Amino acid sequence: RKEVEQDPGPFNVPEGATVAFNCTYSNSASQSFFWYRQDCRKEPKLLMSVYSSGNEDGRFTAQLNRASQYISLLIRDSKLSDSATYLCAVINSSYKLIFGSGTRLLVRP
Amino acid sequence: NAGVTQTPKFQVLKTGQSMTLQCAQDMNHNSMYWYRQDPGMGLRLIYYSASEGTTDKGEVPNGYNVSRLNKREFSLRLESAAPSQTSVYFCASSDRQGLPTDTQYFGPGTRLTVL
Repeated sequence: RKEVEQDPGPFNVPEGATVAFNCTYSNSASQSFFWYRQDCRKEPKLLMSVYSSGNEDGRFTAQLNRASQYISLLIRDSKLSDSATYLCAVINSSYKLIFGSGTRLLVRP
Repeated sequence: NAGVTQTPKFQVLKTGQSMTLQCAQDMNHNSMYWYRQDPGMGLRLIYYSASEGTTDKGEVPNGYNVSRLNKREFSLRLESAAPSQTSVYFCASSDRQGLPTDTQYFGPGTRLTVL
């Protein structure tokens, strides 16, 4: 079983839709959690860190559920420019940053 | 402030050839990392350097060597390239020596094809 797992998608949604991604992690001792965004043929860029209390940045909301060992990313009012691959990442008990394989989002006009 | 830079951007090698991928950062970060990214596999850590003068293996180190030349530079060497090493290679850096709140910043990547 992979240490961090994501649904690869693609999620194909119309502009203005709300879309949510989940990411599960297997190591209960994992320390920190992140969402990265990766555009086609580009490097990953940090979208947001995920805190225990949940956090919001504009149209993006991240949640952590330690009991069920998953993190989520909610995007409201999707824009065409949100089309990208979203990678979750977890710092495990060995202080290594482990990435999921990514979820692809396509926002259509 | 260029962040993390990598050279070359693209490279084609024949099986058995060697090459070095270069990475430099100008953010005065302590830690540097090399990842490879393959379709459907996410990013996998090859080697990392928590601080100048130290290097450690990651998840997939076989077939690679690294050098932390100084605080700014961290190179990845393929001594005898194999087709299985065809991938996109990303270098990253972070400030806090792998602590739980670390944030990593990535370079633009090197696309390597081994024939």
